[in-house]
Amino acid sequence: QSALTQPASVSGSPGQSITISCTGTSSDVGGYNYVSWYQQHPGKAPKLMIYDVSNRPSGVSNRFSGSKSGNTASLTISGLQAEDEADYYCSSYTSSSTLVFGTGTKVTVL
Amino acid sequence: QVQLVQSGSELKKPGASVKVSCKASGYTFTSYAMNWVRQAPGQGLEWMGWINTNTGNPTYAQGFTGRFVFSLDTSVSTAYLQISSLKAEDTAVYYCARDHDYGDLTFDYWGQGTLVTVSS
Repeated sequence: QSALTQPASVSGSPGQSITISCTGTSSDVGGYNYVSWYQQHPGKAPKLMIYDVSNRPSGVSNRFSGSKSGNTASLTISGLQAEDEADYYCSSYTSSSTLVFGTGTKVTVL
Repeated sequence: QVQLVQSGSELKKPGASVKVSCKASGYTFTSYAMNWVRQAPGQGLEWMGWINTNTGNPTYAQGFTGRFVFSLDTSVSTAYLQISSLKAEDTAVYYCARDHDYGDLTFDYWGQGTLVTVSS
């Protein structure tokens, strides 16, 4: 199972919106509404930000939103803040009943 | 509050074995599956597999069969990851992560990570 494809880096100025893409296949992202997004700050454990494509866990800011179209899922961060600077990973359930992560995206706040 | 507390960093020689623990608290251990995730230095996340905390049945992802063993001690709400015949490429941070709903492979709580360094 190959890793899902994410852009290596995305940047934006404070207050702007950015979108991170996560491209898979019909056997993972396109086939199931089980896409999650994780935020990871340096030296820290990942944190769940979005699950089931577009659901936010309790306590996660509503500046984070998720969507999916075909084989590509997206995470949008609106009103970008300095604290949003981190690595972001998508993940998806697969047709083999396994999980695959994305390649990861480094978000830089300019 | 839910917590997953992992054992400390390990330095091992090639060919040795290591056992990482993940102690859960704040919830009923057997109500949620436990997963393991590897992150090599400067690299992304890799799902290693999961263990059914009711039956103890493990499921290993491709690339994590043979030398990797998941186990449990439900009496102390602890999951274990054992790696045998360690190689330099096993150097990584290993995380335990709890399923959000049983078997949904969405991880709502994570351990702090255990760094395993394999070096002669």
